[in-house]
Amino acid sequence: KQEVTQIPAALSVPEGENLVLNCSFTDSAIYNLQWFRQDPGKGLTSLLLIQSSQREQTSGRLNASLDKSSGRSTLYIAASQPGDSATYLCAVSYGQNFVFGPGTRLSVLP
Amino acid sequence: NAGVTQTPKFQVLKTGQSMTLQCAQDMNHEYMSWYRQDPGMGLRLIHYSVGAGITDQGEVPNGYNVSRSTTEDFPLRLLSAAPSQTSVYFCASRRGKGTEAFFGQGTRLTVV
Repeated sequence: KQEVTQIPAALSVPEGENLVLNCSFTDSAIYNLQWFRQDPGKGLTSLLLIQSSQREQTSGRLNASLDKSSGRSTLYIAASQPGDSATYLCAVSYGQNFVFGPGTRLSVLP
Repeated sequence: NAGVTQTPKFQVLKTGQSMTLQCAQDMNHEYMSWYRQDPGMGLRLIHYSVGAGITDQGEVPNGYNVSRSTTEDFPLRLLSAAPSQTSVYFCASRRGKGTEAFFGQGTRLTVV
């Protein structure tokens, strides 16, 4: 069964810190991997999409890497801000649909 | 840009009632999907469609029905609501395989 895990489940950091969120997947035959942000009671906002042929993608303070052979992706957030507080979801596409991780709940303290 | 629009945002049903959750997208995407999100379970796929007239089951299809008569719309029908269907439902769309997915704002459903 294709499974996606995320570590840590929750993370609390002071403002300004750089941080890394981890995503692991059991089946490396992926099409792509997408990172989402979810605020409480809201929908999912797309952050970054990495194709299976890519090693990393960057958007502003966010950088996502992909190592297909080891079944891992990381989301790096630079200079964290209180507005970054949310749940971050990793979703792995094996073609037509996604398998989601359980998410990492991030709190950035002022 | 409207993107993916879900209605209603909130709904309370009595056990045994039926209802339809609406999902519409204005991006001309071929792929559309329905997920449910439950505490501790993450998002799980209910049904999906890869184009008008084509639908298939996901991981948790029981108790739900879908059809796709147009590219824009992908409604999810609850045939006879049960308390186990209390959840937050998300609709998603994407242009095709391997492309970026966009999600609606969700429908919070409570079955009493």
